[in-house]
Amino acid sequence: EAQVTQNPRYLITVTGKKLTVTCSQNMNHEYMSWYRQDPGLGLRQIYYSMNVEVTDKGDVPEGYKVSRKEKRNFPLILESPSPNQTSLYFCASSLSSPGGKYEQYFGPGTRLTVT
Amino acid sequence: TQLLEQSPQFLSIQEGENLTVYCNSSSVFSSLQWYRQEPGEGPVLLVTVVTGGEVKKLKRLTFQFGDARKDSSLHITAAQPGDTGLYLCAGDVSYKLSFGAGTTVTVRA
Repeated sequence: EAQVTQNPRYLITVTGKKLTVTCSQNMNHEYMSWYRQDPGLGLRQIYYSMNVEVTDKGDVPEGYKVSRKEKRNFPLILESPSPNQTSLYFCASSLSSPGGKYEQYFGPGTRLTVT
Repeated sequence: TQLLEQSPQFLSIQEGENLTVYCNSSSVFSSLQWYRQEPGEGPVLLVTVVTGGEVKKLKRLTFQFGDARKDSSLHITAAQPGDTGLYLCAGDVSYKLSFGAGTTVTVRA
């Protein structure tokens, strides 16, 4: 089954404790992206990757890191989480840059709480 | 400030009624997508509109792209409880999608 998987689905952590949220897709997509979703703000892009070893900042990259060593994986790293990073996070992938004829597939989301 | 403004933010209607959700911007997009998101899940693509003035129908859902490609609307005819969800519009901007804040639609049985 074609899908985007994220782990963990739920995470409660404390300020400053490094964490990684994993994302994997099995569709051989070149483009992958991370979003955060907050009430009233919709989905905001954190980072995206056009292909292996190619990453770029989205609209809200501060406090986050990503890497794209393999085509299928795109982990999101929070080196020193803070309470304002409490949010619902989504990983997404598409064959190429989303929009036009390219559909973006989303993972199920990771709900992160930083205390 | 969001590139795409959606209205209304919340919409609650009775089963069988019609509804329209609007997505507006001052920017021109080469394409615009509509997604629906249900609680506990990621957004799922409903439709992509590409040409100014384009109208697409998906069963009881009708999507329209403005002539100037700056705005779009989603119209649901005879809404059903299964239409309940968060509706998001997204326009493509330089290798990225910019999303509106979403419209939460609740259809009461």
